[in-house]
Amino acid sequence: EPEVTQTPSHQVTQMGQEVILRCVPISNHLYFYWYRQILGQKVEFLVSFYNNEISEKSEIFDDQFSVERPDGSNFTLKIRSTKLEDSAMYFCASIGQYNQPQHFGDGTRLSIL
Amino acid sequence: GESVGLHLPTLSVQEGDNSIINCAYSNSASDYFIWYKQESGKGPQFIIDIRSNMDKRQGQRVTVLLNKTVKHLSLQIAATQPGDSAVYFCAERVGGSQGNLIFGKGTKLSVKP
Repeated sequence: EPEVTQTPSHQVTQMGQEVILRCVPISNHLYFYWYRQILGQKVEFLVSFYNNEISEKSEIFDDQFSVERPDGSNFTLKIRSTKLEDSAMYFCASIGQYNQPQHFGDGTRLSIL
Repeated sequence: GESVGLHLPTLSVQEGDNSIINCAYSNSASDYFIWYKQESGKGPQFIIDIRSNMDKRQGQRVTVLLNKTVKHLSLQIAATQPGDSAVYFCAERVGGSQGNLIFGKGTKLSVKP
């Protein structure tokens, strides 16, 4: 069964540094999402992306965050200047058609020191 | 408002028993609901979904019930197995057919052999 893949599985970064999290959505999917999950808490929506532009974003997704689909397969989340509170699991998800469930990757654990 | 923190509701069942996990959702305009299973170190895994024009949907060993009057979802797992041990999240979709998901807090299911 096709999967959403995310790399790296664990990223450790110094506070203030830039970090890029990478996702390869399922190949024929068109809608892409980033979510985060702080340890022990619920999954929170960050941003959705379709047709090379942001569709929706949450209050969490401030000017320090950006997303990009640099080629036909990758979907990236960049945090420009990381803060301690950015430490979380970051999940990428995608869907192919209307009214389909979002399929999630296994996430990247981001640890800010 | 909703409390946040490390404490998850826990349901402990004996192997072979049926499990019922409950969820309250927030938005009466939500039109689509999903149950996800999350195992340790993994991303949310799709279990079953239901649209708002239905009140019951059955899958393999799982049933979802939707009560729109009280904004309540439940997930029933028949003949619970040790492999069902995980955290279960309900999610409601907002903003149309490609909209983002709002996740509930999660319930930890522990299955005793």
